[in-house]
Amino acid sequence: DAGVTQSPTHLIKTRGQQVTLRCSPKSGHDTVSWYQQALGQGPQFIFQYYEEEERQRGNFPDRFSGHQFPNYSSELNVNALLLGDSALYLCASSLVPVGGINTGELFFGEGSRLTVL
Amino acid sequence: DAKTTQPNSMESNEEEPVHLPCNHSTISGTDYIHWYRQLPSQGPEYVIHGLTSNVNNRMASLAIAEDRKSSTLILHRATLRDAAVYYCILRDIVDAGNTGKLIFGQGTTLQVKP
Repeated sequence: DAGVTQSPTHLIKTRGQQVTLRCSPKSGHDTVSWYQQALGQGPQFIFQYYEEEERQRGNFPDRFSGHQFPNYSSELNVNALLLGDSALYLCASSLVPVGGINTGELFFGEGSRLTVL
Repeated sequence: DAKTTQPNSMESNEEEPVHLPCNHSTISGTDYIHWYRQLPSQGPEYVIHGLTSNVNNRMASLAIAEDRKSSTLILHRATLRDAAVYYCILRDIVDAGNTGKLIFGQGTTLQVKP
């Protein structure tokens, strides 16, 4: 059973460019969340996708956008890159139980390391 | 969102028990206590969670104070592979649609000595 997979694992961009990061959730999971983790800090929630819609958003500017596809995979797009966008970007997946409350775990990928020069 | 307070770092010897404390004095009645850990160069990994009663699983035990204002993650026999950053996180279950948001703090960096 494949876990959460992310691509690419590492990439380097220059200021002003745009980047797209990809995530495939754990098999059977329908919810994808994205996090940004700066060096030495805990992960920060960017947004969450469920049923192909953004359901909740953290304190990130509109330069950060996303998409969820019918197969539940997801993309994170960042426009007009800044030096401060250099970070590890983590994707996490989970499953919303039918008619229930999800108190369960999130499964994280190993992340995409973005360096902005 | 209610916040948690953890020591920045702790040390342990291999094969000894480790008690990682977490304070959450503003916890609400609908907050679950979750623990995640992040090994070097990896994404966070779920460890355990609980509401009121103590919980055990194959990885660890979670001891929750009677007033729920603090909790302790217990690793019964630390190994070198347990060296990681451990995060104590409160998760509100009231809004069932918000399943993906976790508020991470700085966590506790656990060093395990051979």
